[in-house]
Amino acid sequence: KAGVTQTPRYLIKTRGQQVTLSCSPISGHRSVSWYQQTPGQGLQFLFEYFSETQRNKGNFPGRFSGRQFSNSRSEMNVSTLELGDSALYLCASSRGQETQYFGPGTRLLVL
Amino acid sequence: KQEVTQIPAALSVPEGENLVLNCSFTDSAIYNLQWFRQDPGKGLTSLLLIQSSQREQTSGRLNASLDKSSGRSTLYIAASQPGDSATYLCAANTGNQFYFGTGTSLTVIP
Repeated sequence: KAGVTQTPRYLIKTRGQQVTLSCSPISGHRSVSWYQQTPGQGLQFLFEYFSETQRNKGNFPGRFSGRQFSNSRSEMNVSTLELGDSALYLCASSRGQETQYFGPGTRLLVL
Repeated sequence: KQEVTQIPAALSVPEGENLVLNCSFTDSAIYNLQWFRQDPGKGLTSLLLIQSSQREQTSGRLNASLDKSSGRSTLYIAASQPGDSATYLCAANTGNQFYFGTGTSLTVIP
């Protein structure tokens, strides 16, 4: 069974630009969660989508948004990038409230 | 708000030692607790998940325990190996989201 995949793996952007990251969950998993990981703040929850609906949301500004498609694939968008948005962005999929399986992450560098 | 703390932040042990990693959480109303390992620059690999109704889970050389009333979980690694070197993270699931600790960086010296 294929694992969680994320694209792209690496991304370099400049301040003010926007970026879209993609996550394909494990087949059969309907929940996709997104996290931001930085050396200073650790892993922080962004949001969770379940059956195309945002079910939970962390404490991030509105520049961070996401969506989920009918095939459970999810995208995360960050608009008006800031230097502080440089991080490893991880997505995780699960069947519901069970074990989360993480993808390899997308490393975003904002210059 | 749930806060998760992991102690120690870093640990270095010789190969073959048994070791314990600690995780504490402030709100005992959790749905489950999960332990992960993360290798440098990589995603997280799930190790063990303990439901709130369980006291422990075992997988190979790993054993995780959960004491909800005291807000603590421990990960026991038996007979450590150099391949166990990684950062270990615990995450408390409140039902709305997972709250992660900052991790324990483990180095097993051959």
